[in-house]
Amino acid sequence: LAKTTQPISMDSYEGQEVNITCSHNNIATNDYITWYQQFPSQGPRFIIQGYKTKVTNEVASLFIPADRKSSTLSLPRVSLSDTAVYYCLVGRRADSGGGADGLTFGKGTHLIIQP
Amino acid sequence: NAGVTQTPKFRILKIGQSMTLQCTQDMNHNYMYWYRQDPGMGLKLIYYSVGAGITDKGEVPNGYNVSRSTTEDFPLRLELAAPSQTSVYFCASSLRLAVGETQYFGPGTRLLVL
Repeated sequence: LAKTTQPISMDSYEGQEVNITCSHNNIATNDYITWYQQFPSQGPRFIIQGYKTKVTNEVASLFIPADRKSSTLSLPRVSLSDTAVYYCLVGRRADSGGGADGLTFGKGTHLIIQP
Repeated sequence: NAGVTQTPKFRILKIGQSMTLQCTQDMNHNYMYWYRQDPGMGLKLIYYSVGAGITDKGEVPNGYNVSRSTTEDFPLRLELAAPSQTSVYFCASSLRLAVGETQYFGPGTRLLVL
């Protein structure tokens, strides 16, 4: 199972771009990288997923270098409402034989946005 | 489409009491999960289910029981509550079973055991 390492906390200011990096040195060929966001007193929410290069949606971008040993979640022009915990998960999809192994969310990165 | 709903939102139990945390999803997902989240920590898998009548243990199953009689419902039972079970409990569901598959979470149940 690919282990992930993220910063415990980060802070930034409204209007800035925030980049959160996740290290996953032993990522496997079939593994995808998935990010979730958790607001206080709520369950985690899927933000974005990628396999390689760059993925962008209405919420964030995900940059994955060619060696895939790390990934960076980029939040453009953050606001106070982006204050949350962000989790990076690495693992297979079901069509690659995925199962329940590795279904654990680590401590994540606590992002605090200040005015 | 309500997604995943959980009841109650908050509960205080005395040591040794029992209770059932309810979870319902309306997305017709076969796969459902129970996690616990201790303060300042990540989420740990307690139990999961791959369909009605089929459940399996996760990372931290001790002190809990589950059942799955319908696709929609996946209750979590605490038989003899202990202070160590003070936590926030999240139910989730997904279309397929894998770390790389999107999970949809409920709002959580906050449990305090005194």
